[in-house]
Amino acid sequence: DAKTTQPNSMESNEEEPVHLPCNHSTISGTDYIHWYRQLPSQGPEYVIHGLTSNVNNRMASLAIAEDRKSSTLILHRATLRDAAVYYCIRRDAGGTSYGKLTFGQGTILTVHP
Amino acid sequence: EAQVTQNPRYLITVTGKKLTVTCSQNMNHEYMSWYRQDPGLGLRQIYYSMNVEVTDKGDVPEGYKVSRKEKRNFPLILESPSPNQTSLYFCASSPQGHPNEKLFFGSGTQLSVL
Repeated sequence: DAKTTQPNSMESNEEEPVHLPCNHSTISGTDYIHWYRQLPSQGPEYVIHGLTSNVNNRMASLAIAEDRKSSTLILHRATLRDAAVYYCIRRDAGGTSYGKLTFGQGTILTVHP
Repeated sequence: EAQVTQNPRYLITVTGKKLTVTCSQNMNHEYMSWYRQDPGLGLRQIYYSMNVEVTDKGDVPEGYKVSRKEKRNFPLILESPSPNQTSLYFCASSPQGHPNEKLFFGSGTQLSVL
């Protein structure tokens, strides 16, 4: 069974970088890696996604291991508003699983002032 | 404003009483999907739809039905709810369901089955 695993929680100080890891050891060659975050009482919100190469956007960076079995979401300078649950998601791209998503259990990020 | 709208936001019902949670999107997206969120289990996909009249099971489809008769709507139907379906439900959509697309989520429906 495909698994996507994340640490339950992490802590950071404001203005410091945060590296949130995710393991997806059974990922196939065409599956995409997505990251979303969820604030209290809200639906998940898109952060970033990628396939093989590292990706950057205004919110974060995504570093994908060369073997694609793991990835790391990087918040370059954490703010108090970044405190949320961060989900790593594998989006199937092949065959009969096209359209399926597998969520990691989420990492609760606490940011200290 | 582009959005995914779920109704109701909160719902309390009793075991066995059929209910429907509605999901609507105004972005002309072909792909829509449903998830449930439970403490300790995270988010799990229930059903998804690649287009009108096309639906497929996710990881936890038992006890749920869906229909996709028009592009904008994707209702989740619980024909005989049970207490183990007490959960927070989310609907999401994306343009064509390609894994390279980002998903847009609704605000959630908190369901309690007594």
